[in-house]
Amino acid sequence: GDSVTQMEGPVTLSEEAFLTINCTYTATGYPSLFWYVQYPGEGLQLLLKATKADDKGSNKGFEATYRKETTSFHLEKGSVQVSDSAVYFCALSFNSGGYQKVTFGTGTKLQVIP
Amino acid sequence: NAGVTQTPKFQVLKTGQSMTLQCAQDMNHEYMSWYRQDPGMGLRLIHYSVGAGITDQGEVPNGYNVSRSTTEDFPLRLLSAAPSQTSVYFCASSRQASSYNSPLHFGNGTRLTVT
Repeated sequence: GDSVTQMEGPVTLSEEAFLTINCTYTATGYPSLFWYVQYPGEGLQLLLKATKADDKGSNKGFEATYRKETTSFHLEKGSVQVSDSAVYFCALSFNSGGYQKVTFGTGTKLQVIP
Repeated sequence: NAGVTQTPKFQVLKTGQSMTLQCAQDMNHEYMSWYRQDPGMGLRLIHYSVGAGITDQGEVPNGYNVSRSTTEDFPLRLLSAAPSQTSVYFCASSRQASSYNSPLHFGNGTRLTVT
C-alpha cells in the first residue's frame, strides 16, 4: 500500500544552519504531498504542499519539491531559527474509494540551538 | 476563528471505564477524522467521516466508536478503556472529502492515560 518514509530524528542544528529532512514515498497513483509541523503541546498544522510532479511548495522559508522520478519530497530551509524547533511530518494524500486517505510518516524532531 | 476544538485536553481513566472525546469544527468541513499519535509510530487513523451520518473505519478502529449526527461534531467513544489506548488523540477535518488536495486542519489534541 501507499506509505511514507522519513528520516529519523532527532536532528540538532545550530541557528542559521541549513536544514534537510528527507522524505520518500511509495504510491500506486499520483498522490498529493504535504509537510505538517507540530509545535510542542499543539496539533499539526500545514506547512506546505505540492499536488503534482515538479511542483514546489514553499512557506516561511521552507521548500520542498515533488520529485516523481525519485519518489521524494525532501524538506529544506536555508537558515533555521530557534523558533523552527518542532516535529515535522511528511504525508501523502490519495483517493481511496472516492474519498481522501492520508498517510503520515513517523515524524522528525528538529531542535535548533542558539 | 476557532477551527477544530477538542475537549478535554487531558484525561486519566481506569481500565474498563468509558468516555467520549469531543471534537467540533466551525468551518463547515465535509471530512472529519480521528488519529492517535504514539511515539515512533506517527499518526494512525482510527475512524473517519465523509459527511453527516456517514462514518467508516480507519487503520486502528478496535475499541473505539464514532457517530456524526451533524456536520460540526464528531465525537470519539472509548467503550472500555485499556492501557494500550494510552495515547494522544487528534481530531482533524478537511473541506472536501473527495479532494485529496485538501489539507487537514487539526485540533490541539487530547492526552489520554489509562491506568
